[in-house]
Amino acid sequence: DIQMTQSPSTLSASVGDRVTITCRASQSISSWLAWYQQKPGKAPRLLIYKASSLQSGVPSRFSGSGSGTEFTLTISSLQPDDFATYYCQQYNSDWTFGQGTRVEIK
Amino acid sequence: QVTLRESGPALVKPTQTLTLTCTFSGFSFSTNGVCVIWVRQPPGKALEWLAVIDWDDDKHYSTSLKTRLTISKDTSKNQVVLTMTNMDPVDTATYYCARRLGLLDGFDIWGQGIMVTVSS
Repeated sequence: DIQMTQSPSTLSASVGDRVTITCRASQSISSWLAWYQQKPGKAPRLLIYKASSLQSGVPSRFSGSGSGTEFTLTISSLQPDDFATYYCQQYNSDWTFGQGTRVEIK
Repeated sequence: QVTLRESGPALVKPTQTLTLTCTFSGFSFSTNGVCVIWVRQPPGKALEWLAVIDWDDDKHYSTSLKTRLTISKDTSKNQVVLTMTNMDPVDTATYYCARRLGLLDGFDIWGQGIMVTVSS
C-alpha cells in the first residue's frame, strides 16, 4: 500500500503569510494527488486535483505542485477563512490520505 | 445540483453489522469514470478511505478492512450501500460518501457525513 506523509502536522501562521504544506508518497504516484480542506464538523472540500489543477470555485491563492513522490500545497496569502486542516490524497493506487496538517492562528 | 446524503444507524453494538446508505442526485453511474467512495474519520483523527465502487461496478477495498467491507450500488435508486461487519468501538467515526466524476479528478462533492458510535 502507498503511504502518504504530510509535514508539518501543525503550522502556526498569520493572516497574509505564505504557507506551504508538503506531502510525500512512499512510492511514485505520478501526478495523481489531490488536496482537501476540512473545517471542524464539516466534510472535506476539494481544492486541487492532479497535483496542480485548481478545482472550480477555489480561490487562486491556493496552488499545488510536484510529481513523483513529493508534492506541495501553497497558500499565497493566508486569509481568515483558510484556518483549517488540510489533507493530501493519492489516487495512483487506491486512495490513501495523509495524516493532515492543521493550520492555526499564530 | 449534485448532492449526496448518508443514512444509517447512529448507534450500533459491538459485533453487529453496520449498513450505511449513500443516496445521491444530480449524477448517475452511466457516465464513464464516475465513482463513489466511502471515507471515515474517528473523532479528532485523520480521514481514512474504506471502499470505492466504479461506474462499471468495479469494487475496491482498503487492505486493512477488506475482510469486513462490502460495497454495492443500486442504480435504479441512485444509492450506494456499504456494510461493515463485526463492529468494534474503534470503528466509532463519522462516515462520509463522496463522488468522483472522472478518472483524472478528485472527489468533488461530499455528503454531510453520519456519526456512528459503537457501544454496548
